Amino acid sequence: DAGVIQSPRHEVTEMGQEVTLRCKPISGHDYLFWYRQTMMRGLELLIYFNNNVPIDDSGMPEDRFSAKMPNASFSTLKIQPSEPRDSAVYFCASSLWGGETQYFGPGTRLLVL
Amino acid sequence: GENVEQHPSTLSVQEGDSAVIKCTYSDSASNYFPWYKQELGKGPQLIIDIRSNVGEKKDQRIAVTLNKTAKHFSLHITETQPEDSAVYFCAASRDSGYALNFGKGTSLLVTP
Repeated sequence: DAGVIQSPRHEVTEMGQEVTLRCKPISGHDYLFWYRQTMMRGLELLIYFNNNVPIDDSGMPEDRFSAKMPNASFSTLKIQPSEPRDSAVYFCASSLWGGETQYFGPGTRLLVL
Repeated sequence: GENVEQHPSTLSVQEGDSAVIKCTYSDSASNYFPWYKQELGKGPQLIIDIRSNVGEKKDQRIAVTLNKTAKHFSLHITETQPEDSAVYFCAASRDSGYALNFGKGTSLLVTP
């Protein structure tokens, strides 16, 4: 298996622009997680899905952030409008079950100018 | 919710020495405790995990211990090598269906 795939790997955008991050989980995994990593706050869980249904989105910073999982093999995290404080590395992870081993993707490094 | 504290935030050891990283958690219902290693520019990767029915688990140079009464668990790396240099994260979770709660990470540097 190719593992968790994320795109793009790097994104540089200007404040106010829409940003869409993409994730393809490992085939057969029922859970998908989105994390944000910064030096100040470490790894923060933003939202996670079970069988394409959002289970907990309490970590989503504000309404500018939204996530979707239209099918078992694809998820998006959208920021609209983006702000400089959104600059971070965004990771997607998947697992067979919610509390089990999570497999992380390589991350998307986002820089908002 | 669950709160996971991790110490130290940075750790420097000489090659061949041992390294110990400690974590505490707040939710007594947590029963799954993985450790992840993150190398520069990569996503975290699982290196070892332990469940609440086990007190210690070893995998070559890596071991994890768990004290459920005190609600703390530790990662032990023996005979450290320069390639062990990375950021290590502990995490805790309840049963299936709950997300992992991560500690803030420990940056380990192994000097030759």
